[in-house]
Amino acid sequence: DTAVSQTPKYLVTQMGNDKSIKCEQNLGHDTMYWYKQDSKKFLKIMFSYNNKELIINETVPNRFSPKSPDKAHLNLHINSLELGDSAVYFCASSPHSGSGNEQFFGPGTRLTVL
Amino acid sequence: QKEVEQNSGPLSVPEGAIASLNCTYSDRGSQSFFWYRQYSGKSPELIMFIYSNGDKEDGRFTAQLNKASQYVSLLIRDSQPSDSATYLCAVESASKIIFGSGTRLSIRP
Repeated sequence: DTAVSQTPKYLVTQMGNDKSIKCEQNLGHDTMYWYKQDSKKFLKIMFSYNNKELIINETVPNRFSPKSPDKAHLNLHINSLELGDSAVYFCASSPHSGSGNEQFFGPGTRLTVL
Repeated sequence: QKEVEQNSGPLSVPEGAIASLNCTYSDRGSQSFFWYRQYSGKSPELIMFIYSNGDKEDGRFTAQLNKASQYVSLLIRDSQPSDSATYLCAVESASKIIFGSGTRLSIRP
């Protein structure tokens, strides 16, 4: 019944490794997002997809690569992990990409890079 | 200048009182404004959204918008301990949502 789900919930890994986070929404929404929330709780958008098409790509290192196999899924792959990548990553979805959209957030993935 | 600014707090309010949370934004063209609540270790959840100048009430919550002053606020009446959380102001700008850094609210019994 979970509307927006993410796996894994926790991820602890060494510097230099490659890891992926998966996100799925069962709300029938067209638009999905990845956000990064740092230790100061600042929530910043990274990417947005609308119907599998990339529509927002913020200034994010190209070690981060999103992939949307269908409109219900948006995965995030991170290459060559760095200490500064440690954060909570939230997936979110909204009905469409237009204005006035409520965003529904997943439970978050806490990434710790050692 | 940050795009969406909030006082980080903590804001301490006695139980039963009114909590007032404030937010300013820089993009005059913004049309949609949101308040999200985030409990520690949890994900943000939407409490209120407002599009027009003035007040919008929903239960104990009232959102206030003043586009001329680029100011949006959230009032929580009859504050309860369960209202203790971080409140994120979010503003739609250039087709994306920009979040403030949040105000931590603590309701003391």
